[in-house]
Amino acid sequence: DTAVSQTPKYLVTQMGNDKSIKCEQNLGHDTMYWYKQDSKKFLKIMFSYNNKELIINETVPNRFSPKSPDKAHLNLHINSLELGDSAVYFCASSRIYGYTFGSGTRLTVV
Amino acid sequence: TQLLEQSPQFLSIQEGENLTVYCNSSSVFSSLQWYRQEPGEGPVLLVTVVTGGEVKKLKRLTFQFGDARKDSSLHITAAQPGDTGLYLCAGPDAGGTSYGKLTFGQGTILTVHP
Repeated sequence: DTAVSQTPKYLVTQMGNDKSIKCEQNLGHDTMYWYKQDSKKFLKIMFSYNNKELIINETVPNRFSPKSPDKAHLNLHINSLELGDSAVYFCASSRIYGYTFGSGTRLTVV
Repeated sequence: TQLLEQSPQFLSIQEGENLTVYCNSSSVFSSLQWYRQEPGEGPVLLVTVVTGGEVKKLKRLTFQFGDARKDSSLHITAAQPGDTGLYLCAGPDAGGTSYGKLTFGQGTILTVHP
């Protein structure tokens, strides 16, 4: 059983397109996150949701819109994709100490 | 914003050698976490250290949290090729628990050659 699963694993798309990444966790955690990992492997938080409520929104362009239909799901929709959006996007969930990460979505914008 | 600096950034060693990775900050953290990430996968939590001066062991890995809770280290004894990966330290933002935002170090890429 996968604890945090995100789809798709790979996403190649053209500039200007709109795309979504889905995330689901079966750990019963209340808090979920989206992180972006750049080409230098640096991880930076984008959004955090606690029990479906947005609690952290870092300085992310408003082309990125998270949605949490319930506390087990957190999706990320990206409008008008740009070359600079190419990165690996990780979903994660947490309870007390430590995150459980998904295996990532490698987004390539061409 | 609290920053975490990891060193070294790259480490390439032979099987059987020992190594230490450092994670330093000018800020106090309530706890620090260490993750290991393999290619194509997400980071996996190795350990959380909470108390200043704490030492935790996980087989050949030894984790230390500084007395002042501003730094941590990861020591690997007799490294094996299976230890190869990206090692990340992370800490919760000031005033928060690990429910909230984690700040990550830049990571240490470890390669252990057979």
